[in-house]
Amino acid sequence: KNQVEQSPQSLIILEGKNCTLQCNYTVSPFSNLRWYKQDTGRGPVSLTIMTFSENTKSNGRYTATLDADTKQSSLHITASQLSDSASYICVVSGAPGTYKYIFGTGTRLKVLA
Amino acid sequence: DAGVTQSPTHLIKTRGQQVTLRCSPKSGHDTVSWYQQALGQGPQFIFQYYEEEERQRGNFPDRFSGHQFPNYSSELNVNALLLGDSALYLCASSLGFGLDYEQYFGPGTRLTVT
Repeated sequence: KNQVEQSPQSLIILEGKNCTLQCNYTVSPFSNLRWYKQDTGRGPVSLTIMTFSENTKSNGRYTATLDADTKQSSLHITASQLSDSASYICVVSGAPGTYKYIFGTGTRLKVLA
Repeated sequence: DAGVTQSPTHLIKTRGQQVTLRCSPKSGHDTVSWYQQALGQGPQFIFQYYEEEERQRGNFPDRFSGHQFPNYSSELNVNALLLGDSALYLCASSLGFGLDYEQYFGPGTRLTVT
């Protein structure tokens, strides 16, 4: 069964600190992996997208890594800000030629002043 | 340049009723996908429309149906509403049908079934 699991489920950190969110997947064959940020009650916004041949992608203070061999990805947030408080969702796409987006349940991040 | 828009923002319906949600894609996009997101969960893929046809469908019953218009806008219809249909319904648009195209999400419609 194709699955995407994220950890931790929730996380609280102080403003200015770094944090790392994890995503493990079993989707196969694999096409690409995306990280989204979703504010409460809003639609997800794309942060990064990586294909199986890429192992790192940055977007400002957000850096995503991918290990296609172990089927693991991480999202590292540097120097967190209050506005980083949101849910972060890992999404894995299945085989080319099909339309299959498998969403993780997300990690809820709360940044405190 | 307007992004993806959805209407209404919020909606309250009673069990057994029918509901229609609307989505206008980002300018220039021709593909629309619909997702259901229950509270505290990740979005679940309902279906995708391209060239006015349903191209892919997730694991949702026939009570969920849709339509895409020539201007690429789309509707999601849900019949015989159940309490479990209460969720945030997200619309996403992309340029082209396939996995390599970036999806842009709308703000969602919050449906409450009582």
